[in-house]
Amino acid sequence: EVQLVESGGGLVKPGGSLRLSCAASGFTFDFYSMNWVRQAPGKGLEWVSSISSSTAYIYYADSVKGRFTISRDNAKNSLYLQMNSLRADDTAVYYCARGSGSYANYFDYWGQGTLVTVSS
Amino acid sequence: QSALTQPPSASGSPGQSVTISCTGTSSDVGGYNYVSWYQHHPGKAPKLMIYEVSKRPSGVPDRFSGSKSGNTASLTVSGLQAEDEADYYCSSYAGSNTLLFGGGTKLTVL
Repeated sequence: EVQLVESGGGLVKPGGSLRLSCAASGFTFDFYSMNWVRQAPGKGLEWVSSISSSTAYIYYADSVKGRFTISRDNAKNSLYLQMNSLRADDTAVYYCARGSGSYANYFDYWGQGTLVTVSS
Repeated sequence: QSALTQPPSASGSPGQSVTISCTGTSSDVGGYNYVSWYQHHPGKAPKLMIYEVSKRPSGVPDRFSGSKSGNTASLTVSGLQAEDEADYYCSSYAGSNTLLFGGGTKLTVL
């Protein structure tokens, strides 16, 4: 059974940093691209970042470019999101999701999310 | 890039059909056959319901179907059931290895 479990969320002050993790199991992790998607309170889903299976290709939404860094450790079946210079509008539930298809255009498995709150 | 446009709400009685639209542009929905739909019960993991416009993952009931015309994609739920009540989000590849989501539609089963 495919499982994705996020951790690392919490309360952080504006300008602070946080590192999210996603532990994957039930599939061959290094075969798939992985993604972070977030949902701000009362808002829709927003794609944040993706990383290819080999880490050769990394992409970010404009809203986080230069502040967030996605990475993965295929030996540990883990995905990470380093978030720096956090702002109030980064407050959201952050989901990790497995990418599939051409351009990893759809996400066939998701975790349950971890809440990040940016507030003073 | 702006989010895709979905109606904020939709509703139907058990057994009826309901269609949710998702409008983008020729740079996303209209430009690629890479539209997907997700069902999200609050507090749970989103679930893939339709991918690449009209394909259904294994285990998704055939009551769920997807289509696209021009810059607008649609999700149709036939034979509505109580458990279909959830938020539904569309997504589209938008070029340059980026993806857009819609704002979400809350489906209520009356």
